[in-house]
Amino acid sequence: GAGVSQTPSNKVTEKGKYVELRCDPISGHTALYWYRQSLGQGPEFLIYFQGTGAADDSGLPNDRFFAVRPEGSVSTLKIQRTERGDSAVYLCASSRGSPVGNVLTFGAGSRLTVL
Amino acid sequence: GQQVMQIPQYQHVQEGEDFTTYCNSSTTLSNIQWYKQRPGGHPVFLIQLVKSGEVKKQKRLTFQFGEAKKNSSLHITATQTTDVGTYFCAGRDGATNKLIFGTGTLLAVQP
Repeated sequence: GAGVSQTPSNKVTEKGKYVELRCDPISGHTALYWYRQSLGQGPEFLIYFQGTGAADDSGLPNDRFFAVRPEGSVSTLKIQRTERGDSAVYLCASSRGSPVGNVLTFGAGSRLTVL
Repeated sequence: GQQVMQIPQYQHVQEGEDFTTYCNSSTTLSNIQWYKQRPGGHPVFLIQLVKSGEVKKQKRLTFQFGEAKKNSSLHITATQTTDVGTYFCAGRDGATNKLIFGTGTLLAVQP
């Protein structure tokens, strides 16, 4: 597509529930990133994919967070047993080829609120 | 782990005044990028610096990469109300290739 698309744009859930956030990157972009941004903070790195594989998942805060990109295009970020502290805007970005030196194009984000 | 700090956290200027934000990394970077995020928006790429001591200009914006490749700055000459937003530097760690964002500087411009 023309840009990075993220759905849903807003998600309100209750503590303990399971949530999936979807990212559809720019067509042809092989690198895909997930970041989390809390109010007044910079984007916090979670994970990045090069193709189908997670090249670096060191930013995932704990084992409740998991992300997949089975066909090297769309990615889903999955959060189990949500906690209030998970509330944030989850940003997805994509870039061409190798991540070294490439520019990230961000989606509009998915705002997650855990009550 | 790698940390990227920016100062100031917030700057309020009168339209026409200059503005500078500084970015410092705890580790040596392979390159640095700058992004701008408007209120309610998402980060948008501005520029990338790769070489030690590199200076790049975009109209009223001047970007600099330090000699040791651990710090960078963004200077805006004669600010305009359209410059309002949060400016983030993002450093790419040479060992891990992760792009780590700084803490950001929120710029407010009073007409």
